[in-house]
Amino acid sequence: AQSVAQPEDQVNVAEGNPLTVKCTYSVSGNPYLFWYVQYPNRGLQFLLKYITGDNLVKGSYGFEAEFNKSQTSFHLKKPSALVSDSALYFCAVRDSSGGYQKVTFGIGTKLQVIP
Amino acid sequence: NAGVTQTPKFRVLKTGQSMTLLCAQDMNHEYMYWYRQDPGMGLRLIHYSVGEGTTAKGEVPDGYNVSRLKKQNFLLGLESAAPSQTSVYFCAGRRYNNEKLFFGSGTQLSVL
Repeated sequence: AQSVAQPEDQVNVAEGNPLTVKCTYSVSGNPYLFWYVQYPNRGLQFLLKYITGDNLVKGSYGFEAEFNKSQTSFHLKKPSALVSDSALYFCAVRDSSGGYQKVTFGIGTKLQVIP
Repeated sequence: NAGVTQTPKFRVLKTGQSMTLLCAQDMNHEYMYWYRQDPGMGLRLIHYSVGEGTTAKGEVPDGYNVSRLKKQNFLLGLESAAPSQTSVYFCAGRRYNNEKLFFGSGTQLSVL
């Protein structure tokens, strides 16, 4: 079985400050990891992914995430938050072994950037 | 190029009624997924398909059926709607060689 945990329901950060949204995962095989963002009344949009290689991956809108195998974490980061970054962020995982195609999402973390 | 399109966008049902949600994509996705989104529960996978004519159960399949008769369409059916199925439903798809999921804009369903 595969699972994702997002321990924070909400993260508040001041505009211009760095932000981190936490994610930990559990899979039997090798993880493919993702971050998606959802703006109000919209579908989810892809931000970035980790498949293999460099543990630091860069994505859309200046976001990046760091894969840490020993801590089974994949935290989302941005050096300087914008008010427009306020949204709901989802971490997701897919077990890449055995042709397993399910993609499991976390419960989401609401990011509030305060002007 | 429409992407992933869901119809309808809103629907209100009475308990016991049936309905079908349609997901249509023009992106040549081999894999398609149906999720429901509920407050505090995140997105939960209902059913998915890895190709035309094939479907598989996700985490919360009870009360739902799906069909993928054509590659571009993935239908989600509720045979006898229950209030517990009040939710926002999202369809998503991806190519076999691309991990990026493309989502539809959602269907808000209320069952009274």
